[in-house]
Amino acid sequence: TQLLEQSPQFLSIQEGENLTVYCNSSSVFSSLQWYRQEPGEGPVLLVTVVTGGEVKKLKRLTFQFGDARKDSSLHITAAQPGDTGLYLCAGGTGDYKLSFGAGTTVTVRA
Amino acid sequence: GAVVSQHPSRVICKSGTSVKIECRSLDFQATTMFWYRQFPKQSLMLMATSNEGSKATYEQGVEKDKFLINHASLTLSTLTVTSAHPEDSSFYICSASDGLNTEAFFGQGTRLTVV
Repeated sequence: TQLLEQSPQFLSIQEGENLTVYCNSSSVFSSLQWYRQEPGEGPVLLVTVVTGGEVKKLKRLTFQFGDARKDSSLHITAAQPGDTGLYLCAGGTGDYKLSFGAGTTVTVRA
Repeated sequence: GAVVSQHPSRVICKSGTSVKIECRSLDFQATTMFWYRQFPKQSLMLMATSNEGSKATYEQGVEKDKFLINHASLTLSTLTVTSAHPEDSSFYICSASDGLNTEAFFGQGTRLTVV
């Protein structure tokens, strides 16, 4: 069973629309990371959140860490075709070992 | 961010042969490296954790004799798939941590195809 539940599994939207990906767990994490992965490549780190309630913005991407540090969301505003990829959340437990969610495949159509 | 280099990016081998994959941290010392396996359209599954100078810790269900991990220096870890079979075909990815920050940085991955 996946420690981190990610939803939705697939998301296909039109360029310019907004989207939100959710990452939920019953466990508390010391940190939570979001990655984007393109086919045939390794994941690329987008952001790390460590404080409950923390909100981080990276251009059109907004990341939120839940108050209880069990859940997180990624919101993309005005999505572009370049945002297409597999988005992965990963929870850290303080020993540098990461537990990954199942991933959300995002497709942004031009 | 820190750079982790994985080599080779793609490898095709015959059944029964062994394949070695290297993972190098180029601009930092990696006290801990992680090896993951990823099937198509699925997430990353942790196979093992390796610490420099000590034996790797394998996740449940991962055969240590089949997936040999060596972390001989602070910048290099290797994964050797021994006596490879077609079902070992997969995307293998390493990540490395310097033990100081919460992030771990990923290599580019290795696509292994066993024919």
